[in-house]
Amino acid sequence: QKEVEQNSGPLSVPEGAIASLNCTYSDRGSQSFFWYRQYSGKSPELIMSIYSNGDKEDGRFTAQLNKASQYVSLLIRDSQPSDSATYLCALSFGGYQKVTFGIGTKLQVIP
Amino acid sequence: NAGVTQTPKFQVLKTGQSMTLQCAQDMNHNSMYWYRQDPGMGLRLIYYSASEGTTDKGEVPNGYNVSRLNKREFSLRLESAAPSQTSVYFCASSGTGFFPNTGELFFGEGSRLTVL
Repeated sequence: QKEVEQNSGPLSVPEGAIASLNCTYSDRGSQSFFWYRQYSGKSPELIMSIYSNGDKEDGRFTAQLNKASQYVSLLIRDSQPSDSATYLCALSFGGYQKVTFGIGTKLQVIP
Repeated sequence: NAGVTQTPKFQVLKTGQSMTLQCAQDMNHNSMYWYRQDPGMGLRLIYYSASEGTTDKGEVPNGYNVSRLNKREFSLRLESAAPSQTSVYFCASSGTGFFPNTGELFFGEGSRLTVL
């Protein structure tokens, strides 16, 4: 079982809708959780980080963490065609600095 | 502000040849990483360096070696390239390297390597 599981998609949503991206993980020792966005042919860029249970909002993005159920999600409100990209879920174990990624979910926002 | 710089951006090798991918960061970061990205496989960690003077294996270290030359530079060497090492390689760095900032990575533009 991979440490970080994501559905590879593609996930298609109409412009203006809410896109919901999900990620589950296997190691309960995971401390820090991240969402990266990667446009085709480009390098990943960090968009959200979350460290404690609950929701964290930043503009149109909301990250949700539930450590008991071992899942992390990313909501994108008012989706735009420019949000079309692959979204990578990642985690680390605190002081060990190793960062593990899921395979990424491809999001397509249809105008 | 350069951030993380990788060289070369493209390289074609023949099986058995060796090469070194260079990475440098100008953000005074402690930790540096090398990942490879293949279709359907996501980003897989090859090696990482939590701080200057230390290196550790990641998920897929076989066939690679690394050197943390100083705080700024972290190189990845393929001693005898194989077609299975055809991939896009990303170097990344992160700030303090301590909780909770671990995982907030800054990536280079990537190096596309083809082994024939």
